[in-house]
Amino acid sequence: QKEVEQNSGPLSVPEGAIASLNCTYSDRVSQSFFWYRQYSGKSPELIMSIYSNGDKEDGRFTAQLNKASQYVSLLIRDSQPSDSATYLCAVRHQGGKLIFGQGTELSVKP
Amino acid sequence: DARVTQTPRHKVTEMGQEVTMRCQPILGHNTVFWYRQTMMQGLELLAYFRNRAPLDDSGMPKDRFSAEMPDATLATLKIQPSEPRDSAVYFCASGTDRENEKLFFGSGTQLSVL
Repeated sequence: QKEVEQNSGPLSVPEGAIASLNCTYSDRVSQSFFWYRQYSGKSPELIMSIYSNGDKEDGRFTAQLNKASQYVSLLIRDSQPSDSATYLCAVRHQGGKLIFGQGTELSVKP
Repeated sequence: DARVTQTPRHKVTEMGQEVTMRCQPILGHNTVFWYRQTMMQGLELLAYFRNRAPLDDSGMPKDRFSAEMPDATLATLKIQPSEPRDSAVYFCASGTDRENEKLFFGSGTQLSVL
């Protein structure tokens, strides 16, 4: 079992719809969780971080964390073609190392 | 505009040759990560440094890979000898050791071993 698991996709949604991206992790003591976005041929960039159970909203993005279920999700409301990218879930272990999932490719169709 | 600088951007080499990739972290950052990205495996952690000391290199093939930080402004990743299966994009990222700090990624080195 991988430490951080994501569906590789591709996930295709129409413009204006909600895109839902999911991630599970295996290390129960992990405390910090991140979503990075990576455009094709570019490097990853942070879009959201979450540390407590519940929801965290930032503009069109909402991160959700459920530590009991070891589950993290990212919702993108009013999806735009410019949101088309690979979304990487990352989990920071105690000791500081950051482990990434394989990423979910999102395609937003006009 | 602070950024992580990686060199070279592209490297094509023949099997058996030594490859050295360099990374200049953002000034003031004390953590450095090396990742390898392939279509099949995604982003794999190779090595992690804090205050120039290696904390975790369990993801790195020890027989051919080595990672060092000669000083706070330079991190290196070496492959000797290189093999075709090492072909990938290698990213360096830097940050601070506070839990809620984000990592800043360099542009990556695209390595092709023929």
